[in-house]
Parts: sequence; structure tokens; C-alpha cells
Amino acid sequence: QKEVEQNSGPLSVPEGAIASLNCTYSDRGSQSFFWYRQYSGKSPELIMFIYSNGDKEDGRFTAQLNKASQYVSLLIRDSQPSDSATYLCAVDGAGSYQLTFGKGTKLSVIP
Amino acid sequence: NAGVTQTPKFQVLKTGQSMTLQCAQDMNHNSMYWYRQDPGMGLRLIYYSASEGTTDKGEVPNGYNVSRLNKREFSLRLESAAPSQTSVYFCASRDGQGPYEQYFGPGTRLTVT
Repeated sequence: QKEVEQNSGPLSVPEGAIASLNCTYSDRGSQSFFWYRQYSGKSPELIMFIYSNGDKEDGRFTAQLNKASQYVSLLIRDSQPSDSATYLCAVDGAGSYQLTFGKGTKLSVIP
Repeated sequence: NAGVTQTPKFQVLKTGQSMTLQCAQDMNHNSMYWYRQDPGMGLRLIYYSASEGTTDKGEVPNGYNVSRLNKREFSLRLESAAPSQTSVYFCASRDGQGPYEQYFGPGTRLTVT
């Protein structure tokens, strides 16, 4: 059973701070890694994905991947109240059409 | 370009009733998925269709059936609804394996009494 683990939170950060969200996965064959944001009552929407070791930046968001440690993270710089949501980590296994999702981390950005 | 659409948005069923949730995508994606989301449980895959003409079980298939009607449409059927199937159901589509975004529909909130 492939597993994706996230700290459920809630994670509270002050406005303007850096929020750090973490995710570990069990399948060493995993190839692609996704971060989704889900506002309450809405469907998940993709923030970014990463498939190479290292960092990938997109605006205020940076995804970090360490395949040796089976660890992926998302950093949100200059956090805004509008970033308050649940963040889902998803992992794509080798040769698999399925994404396995973590249970999500709830982030609250305090004005 | 509507993306992924689902009907209905809300539904209340009595135990034992049946219903079909409809999903369609207009992005010409090969793969389609049905998830359920319950508080504290995250997104759990019910069934998926890797390509037109194929369907496979996910993590929680019991009590559900699916039909990949054509490349655009993927339906989920509850034959005899149970209170344990009260959940939010999301349909999603994706172009295939690898670093491709999975797009979600707006969801169906189902209550079984």
C-alpha cells in the first residue's frame, strides 16, 4: 500500500512569514510529486509539481524534492490570509496512472 | 472550455436507493478518476479509467460501479446507497502517467439518510 504522510496541522503562521509544509512518501519508485490547494467547500487545484531532485520555484511558492529521503516540501513565502487552505501532497507511482494523496495540512495565515 | 463538470452538485438519498453521478471533461484527457473525500480521511480513489474502454478499482471500490461511456464521460453508480457512502465525490481527469496535472470537477455532496 503506497502511503503519503502529511502533518494534519493546523499550521498557523503570521502574515508575511514563510509557511513550510512537509510530505513523506513510501514508494521509492515514485516519479512525480504534486502540491494541491483546497479551499473549504471547493475542489483541489494544482499549485505546482516537481519531478527532479532539488528546488522548483513559482512566484511565492517553492517545492523541494529529496528522493533519497523520500521527502517533498512546499514553502510559501510572504504568506497571505488568502493562502489559508488545506494543502494536499500527491505522489505518482512508477508506471501508475494513480495519484496517491496525503490527508492534507490545514494552513491558517493570521493577519 | 468548461474543464471537468459533474452533476448533480447536491443529492440526498434514502438508504437503498440508487443513483448515478455524471462526469464529463472537455480537455481530451485519456484518464479519468472518481474520488470520495471524508473529514480526516483525505481523498480516496474509488475507481479510475486509464483510457477509454478500461476501468480499474481504486482503494475503496465496494458499493460502487463505474462506466467509461466514451473518452469524455465517466459515471459512478451507487446501486443501493448506504449511510457510509455519505461523502463529497470528486471526478478528475488527467492526460496520462507522469508529470501531468490532474484536474478536478466541482464535486457532488451526497447525503444518505
